Amino acid sequence: DTAVSQTPKYLVTQMGNDKSIKCEQNLGHDTMYWYKQDSKKFLKIMFSYNNKELIINETVPNRFSPKSPDKAHLNLHINSLELGDSAVYFCASSQVRGNYGYTFGSGTRLTVV
Amino acid sequence: DQQVKQNSPSLSVQEGRISILNCDYTNSMFDYFLWYKKYPAEGPTFLISISSIKDKNEDGRFTVFLNKSAKHLSLHIVPSQPGDSAVYFCAAVYNQGGKLIFGQGTELSVKP
Repeated sequence: DTAVSQTPKYLVTQMGNDKSIKCEQNLGHDTMYWYKQDSKKFLKIMFSYNNKELIINETVPNRFSPKSPDKAHLNLHINSLELGDSAVYFCASSQVRGNYGYTFGSGTRLTVV
Repeated sequence: DQQVKQNSPSLSVQEGRISILNCDYTNSMFDYFLWYKKYPAEGPTFLISISSIKDKNEDGRFTVFLNKSAKHLSLHIVPSQPGDSAVYFCAAVYNQGGKLIFGQGTELSVKP
């Protein structure tokens, strides 16, 4: 039974489209994160939510909007997709804020053409 | 400005020998360091960590060393096994509840 699941696993879309990536964790964790792995392979944090409250919001274009309907879900919506948005997006969760043993999902590979 | 760097994109080691993966950081405020392991098409999984008040932490075949004066940490795997072949990410954090900052990873290949 997957602990942190992301859907879809692969997403190919045209420039200008709007898309969403969904994430769910069944670990009972309080904190969830979105990370982006760019072409240079760095994993960079985008957002973090603790019990549905936004606690980290990095310098990310406002075309990216996270939504946390409950503490088990953190979705990422992206408007007006650009070529540079192509990357692998990872969702993660941790038991409490400050617990750094994150559990990651398997990633969503987004390709914008 | 990348605060955590792994300057070796890849490393190849013979089975049974020691693997040493290196990581450098620039921010002296970091107080906790972690290593993650990632297989293809999977997310990173937590491997081992070390607090800045220690210089060594060991867990089975894995040992992490921290040299604060040099702002350098390393992961030693002894003995290396083919199943250890993966990408290894170094990460660092400061402040309770702060964000993990990752390096770009080193791909380890352990050959039988």
